[in-house]
Amino acid sequence: AQSVSQHNHHVILSEAASLELGCNYSYGGTVNLFWYVQYPGQHLQLLLKYFSGDPLVKGIKGFEAEFIKSKFSFNLRKPSVQWSDTAEYFCAGPLYGGSQGNLIFGKGTKLSVKP
Amino acid sequence: DGGITQSPKYLFRKEGQNVTLSCEQNLNHDAMYWYRQDPGQGLRLIYYSQIVNDFQKGDIAEGYSVSREKKESFPLTVTSAQKNPTAFYLCATPSGQGASTSNYGYTFGSGTRLTVV
Repeated sequence: AQSVSQHNHHVILSEAASLELGCNYSYGGTVNLFWYVQYPGQHLQLLLKYFSGDPLVKGIKGFEAEFIKSKFSFNLRKPSVQWSDTAEYFCAGPLYGGSQGNLIFGKGTKLSVKP
Repeated sequence: DGGITQSPKYLFRKEGQNVTLSCEQNLNHDAMYWYRQDPGQGLRLIYYSQIVNDFQKGDIAEGYSVSREKKESFPLTVTSAQKNPTAFYLCATPSGQGASTSNYGYTFGSGTRLTVV
């Protein structure tokens, strides 16, 4: 079985700062990867997903992520954060690599953006 | 919430009591999942079902039970054997039909927050 690691537990930024949240997935082959966001008091929503092809994927609200196979990484980025980006962010991938099995999730990174 | 509904939103349980959380979907999807969310621990899989009348234990199934008598419904019972049930419970279904359920990611319900009183 694979694993998902998110190394930043809590990130605090000021508005307009750039954001990069780390995610490592233990399988380096072809894989489906996801970033979810949970705004305060709300359910999880899909932010973006990577299936194959261009390793740089763009999601909603100006977020993007790049799958770097050699580093097993799928980091989430945003050039300029807003106060409304305050939320918890979860990286997810398949339990058995590729596209097989249930999704497993990282422990989440809480982002606090100061106005 | 994208065709998947959880109820109630808040639930309070007394010590020694069983409670049941509801999850209904109108997407006609075969697969459904229950996750538990605790602060700093991410989402952990409790039970999942790939088809009606069949379900499998996830990573933390102890103290929980489920049934899948209908395709649209996958209720979760938190039994008295679950010693630390206070958590946020999320139900999910794949975001698209397909044999490989992780192809599309999941659509989540709005969750049930369970508190022991």
